[in-house]
Amino acid sequence: NAGVTQTPKFQVLKTGQSMTLQCAQDMNHNSMYWYRQDPGMGLRLIYYSASEGTTDKGEVPNGYNVSRLNKREFSLRLESAAPSQTSVYFCASSASGTSGYEQYFGPGTRLTVT
Amino acid sequence: DQQVKQNSPSLSVQEGRISILNCDYTNSMFDYFLWYKKYPAEGPTFLISISSIKDKNEDGRFTVFLNKSAKHLSLHIVPSQPGDSAVYFCAAISGNDMRFGAGTRLTVKP
Repeated sequence: NAGVTQTPKFQVLKTGQSMTLQCAQDMNHNSMYWYRQDPGMGLRLIYYSASEGTTDKGEVPNGYNVSRLNKREFSLRLESAAPSQTSVYFCASSASGTSGYEQYFGPGTRLTVT
Repeated sequence: DQQVKQNSPSLSVQEGRISILNCDYTNSMFDYFLWYKKYPAEGPTFLISISSIKDKNEDGRFTVFLNKSAKHLSLHIVPSQPGDSAVYFCAAISGNDMRFGAGTRLTVKP
């Protein structure tokens, strides 16, 4: 039982390049989330998927797209990376929504955009 | 705008003593609150939560207090242990909106 896994762990991109961050969970959770963590800012929600087939914007969605590929997988895509997207990205999942349900986090992806 | 604030970036306590981590929020619609703990190079892990209909929740050495009129919550760790050294995030929820504080780095000295 691996919980929430994320790939890659580290990535360096040049401005304008694109990439996809992968996330998978094996807990049969309905809801999945993508956050970014910046110094002094805590975690900020980028996008979430309340259930398979649905996605919604969070607090900071600009510059990102997501795909809920199936119940297990939720990917985050940067179409044209910018230095402002340098951050640590966390994927999380929960049984059903946020209220009353704890979220389980992956180990994170450290992304640097030069 | 930061709707959830942890005004102390760091806290240092002696092993065996009490650690008190504080969190303030501005949105009165938040109805559920959580604390997460984070070690370096790992994702946050859930610690304890409290619903807005309660003012206290206890789990072993960890107790969370909620003061809705002051829009303030706190996490008490008694007794503190060196393994508790980590960054602690508070989070507040309203519907599907979940906001995190910036975190407080707790250091427990042996």
